[in-house]
Amino acid sequence: ETGVTQTPRHLVMGMTNKKSLKCEQHLGHNAMYWYKQSAKKPLELMFVYSLEERVENNSVPSRFSPECPNSSHLFLHLHTLQPEDSALYLCASSQDRNSFNYGYTFGSGTRLTVV
Amino acid sequence: GQSLEQPSEVTAVEGAIVQINCTYQTSGFYGLSWYQQHDGGAPTFLSYNALDGLEETGRFSSFLSRSDSYGYLLLQELQMKDSASYFCASRNQAGTALIFGKGTTLSVSS
Repeated sequence: ETGVTQTPRHLVMGMTNKKSLKCEQHLGHNAMYWYKQSAKKPLELMFVYSLEERVENNSVPSRFSPECPNSSHLFLHLHTLQPEDSALYLCASSQDRNSFNYGYTFGSGTRLTVV
Repeated sequence: GQSLEQPSEVTAVEGAIVQINCTYQTSGFYGLSWYQQHDGGAPTFLSYNALDGLEETGRFSSFLSRSDSYGYLLLQELQMKDSASYFCASRNQAGTALIFGKGTTLSVSS
């Protein structure tokens, strides 16, 4: 248990489905992030939330829709995905978005397969 | 653009020392971080260098040379459990989050 919990761990969805990924942290952190991890690629930053406000959308297609209802929870809503969206989706948190010296705490990720 | 380059794979034997290099091109450099990720696991924070020099944490050390845009992670007394992927990371240009290298897969054999 890393302090950041992601559910579900695995998800298989059809291209016409709608699903949501959930991330929860009770570390008292003020910044939360979504990253996509594909084989042979660097972790790709998707979204950044600081104090529940979105501060970055890293050119992510609109079929991915984030939501941060409070500082402890972060969601990623998915709809009409493509097979190339299959990847490991990682959530992370940090004290604030400038706290690089203390590092990010990552969840174990959701392994998404789009069929 | 911004990028962090590191070798894709490194192999070593138990008890050995291995060095994983990272060269970076970033705007407004704010330090270099290292993360470890075991297969199927979450990336975990190992170290952060804001200034030049060596930072030591147990068997792991990290080095930074800002003039050379270069850093490395040094793992000593390797153990089988050190087999994992290691990522270097630095702040993105917008200053909002970390960007990562592609990762180096370390395989430790007996």
